[in-house]
Amino acid sequence: AQTVTQSQPEMSVQEAETVTLSCTYDTSENNYYLFWYKQPPSRQMILVIRQEAYKQQNATENRFSVNFQKAAKSFSLKISDSQLGDTAMYFCAFLTDSGTYKYIFGTGTRLKVLA
Amino acid sequence: SAVISQKPSRDICQRGTSLTIQCQVDSQVTMMFWYRQQPGQSLTLIATANQGSEATYESGFVIDKFPISRPNLTFSTLTVSNMSPEDSSIYLCSVPGAGSPYNEQFFGPGTRLTVL
Repeated sequence: AQTVTQSQPEMSVQEAETVTLSCTYDTSENNYYLFWYKQPPSRQMILVIRQEAYKQQNATENRFSVNFQKAAKSFSLKISDSQLGDTAMYFCAFLTDSGTYKYIFGTGTRLKVLA
Repeated sequence: SAVISQKPSRDICQRGTSLTIQCQVDSQVTMMFWYRQQPGQSLTLIATANQGSEATYESGFVIDKFPISRPNLTFSTLTVSNMSPEDSSIYLCSVPGAGSPYNEQFFGPGTRLTVL
């Protein structure tokens, strides 16, 4: 069975600084997808960034980038130039390409950006 | 993208009663998912609801406790039956994005349930 571990329950970062959120996972699959989702306070969860396991190049989306280490089963999220609007709960998620479309979520990291 | 609404947004219920949560999507989708997010914890998949077939429940969740209806391609309901305080959670529905279900999922705003 797949598992996703986020070892940082809470983090804080000063506005304009850079922060990295950690995520590790366990799977015997070779093809899968990894995601970071953001859940702002009292708002809907939205996708931040997505990585396909067969792609070696790390995904980037503006200020958000990942460090995907397939052998180490690590998938960290880097937020550059942090903004107050980045304050949210961040979930790492795993999805196999087996056709079940079942997400496995980590326990989340609560990020607070400080002014 | 998909726009998802849920009703009610929150409710406070007495133990032993049932609550039906509605999920409405602005586009037709084959698959819909129901998740539970217990306070301060991660999301756990309850079941997958495909239109025209019985819902598929995950381990630890049973139809008698969480009956699901999927009458058409834009709507689903989840009922939490015979509630106890342990059922206090946020319940979310989600749908895969268009094009490929591996691209992303879109989530509803959630229903915050408190059972007294």
